[in-house]
Amino acid sequence: QKEVEQDPGPLSVPEGAIVSLNCTYSNSAFQYFMWYRQYSRKGPELLMYTYSSGNKEDGRFTAQVDKSSKYISLFIRDSQPSDSATYLCAVGNSGNTPLVFGKGTRLSVIA
Amino acid sequence: DAGITQSPRHKVTETGTPVTLRCHQTENHRYMYWYRQDPGHGLRLIHYSYGVKDTDKGEVSDGYSVSRSKTEDFLLTLESATSSQTSVYFCAIRGTAGGEGYTFGSGTRLTVV
Repeated sequence: QKEVEQDPGPLSVPEGAIVSLNCTYSNSAFQYFMWYRQYSRKGPELLMYTYSSGNKEDGRFTAQVDKSSKYISLFIRDSQPSDSATYLCAVGNSGNTPLVFGKGTRLSVIA
Repeated sequence: DAGITQSPRHKVTETGTPVTLRCHQTENHRYMYWYRQDPGHGLRLIHYSYGVKDTDKGEVSDGYSVSRSKTEDFLLTLESATSSQTSVYFCAIRGTAGGEGYTFGSGTRLTVV
């Protein structure tokens, strides 16, 4: 079983839709959880970062972590064509251990 | 991009030749990483460094070596390039979002012919 599983999509939604992106992870020792956004031909950029179970909101974006289920989600409200990108989840621990990334979900928001 | 630059941005090389990619940071971060990204595989860690001369292997380290003689530079070398090493290579530094988030460079697109 891979440490982080993420549906690769692609996911296509109309403008204004609510988007739900999800990942599951296997190791309950992971302490922090991130979402990265990657536009075509660009490097990933950190979008959201959470350290505990629950919700964290930033504008149209909400990151949700359920440690008991080992499940993390990213919600995008009022999606825009500019949200079209690949979204990668990542989980990690403190210390030297690198982040573990999901394979990414490709999202297209159609105007 | 937040004090991290990769060079070259694009490179075409022949099978069997050595290739070195450079990652340079201006923010004095301790941790640096090299990833490759391929369709269907996502980001895969090649090597990482947690200090000058301190490096460790990632999940796809075969055929690659790294060196870090200065805090600011992390070099990735393909000793003898193969077509399977055609990929986009990303360098990252750790130190955003309370210290745990990564900042990625813009990538190097390498083609081995």
